[in-house]
Amino acid sequence: QVQLVESGGGVVQPGRSLRLSCAASGFTFSSYAMHWVRQAPGKGLEWVAVILYDGSNKYYADSVKGRFTISRDNSKNTLYLQMNSLRDDDSAVYYCARDVGCCFTPGGHFDYWGQGTLVTVSS
Amino acid sequence: QSALTQPASVSGSPGQSITISCTGTSSDVGGYNFVSWYQQHPGRAPKLMIYDVSNRPSGVSNRFSGSKSGNTASLTISGLQAEDEADYYCSSYTSGSTRHVVFGGGTKLTVL
Repeated sequence: QVQLVESGGGVVQPGRSLRLSCAASGFTFSSYAMHWVRQAPGKGLEWVAVILYDGSNKYYADSVKGRFTISRDNSKNTLYLQMNSLRDDDSAVYYCARDVGCCFTPGGHFDYWGQGTLVTVSS
Repeated sequence: QSALTQPASVSGSPGQSITISCTGTSSDVGGYNFVSWYQQHPGRAPKLMIYDVSNRPSGVSNRFSGSKSGNTASLTISGLQAEDEADYYCSSYTSGSTRHVVFGGGTKLTVL
């Protein structure tokens, strides 16, 4: 069965960096676009970024552009989110989610989600 | 990248039907048939309930249906059950200055 398991969350000071990982199993990882979606405590969902099936293209929300980098290693079935220059308002549960297709042309339906990893930015 | 507009809360009694609206613009909801709806119970990950405006994934009850008119999409839940009480989010593909996804602010459904 499809499984997505996030890791790497924790408490970090403002301005510092953190890298999240999402280990995928139960499907052909290299065939699907993958997304990060976050949810601040008590708030709604916010889309963060997407990477196409082969890593050829990446798109970001304006709120994280220039600070966050999405990447993937298809040989390890793993998705990453490198978060730099973290701010208080980046505090959230970060979910990785599988797109229903490869190429986001267009798309953006998330049929499987991980359980999330909590990132807390605080001094 | 403005969020789509949803009512903060809706409620209904068991057996009744409710509808949740999701209003966007011609750049997102009105411009593409790529509207999705997600159900989220407290402490759980979201679950895809509707995609491509009106399609149900395998395993989702046919009590859930979706539609769209102009810039507004809607989720209807018929025959309300206690387990339907959850937060519901709409989302849409949008192109704008770059390809991305925009979510609604979420609607809390209370089953009375």
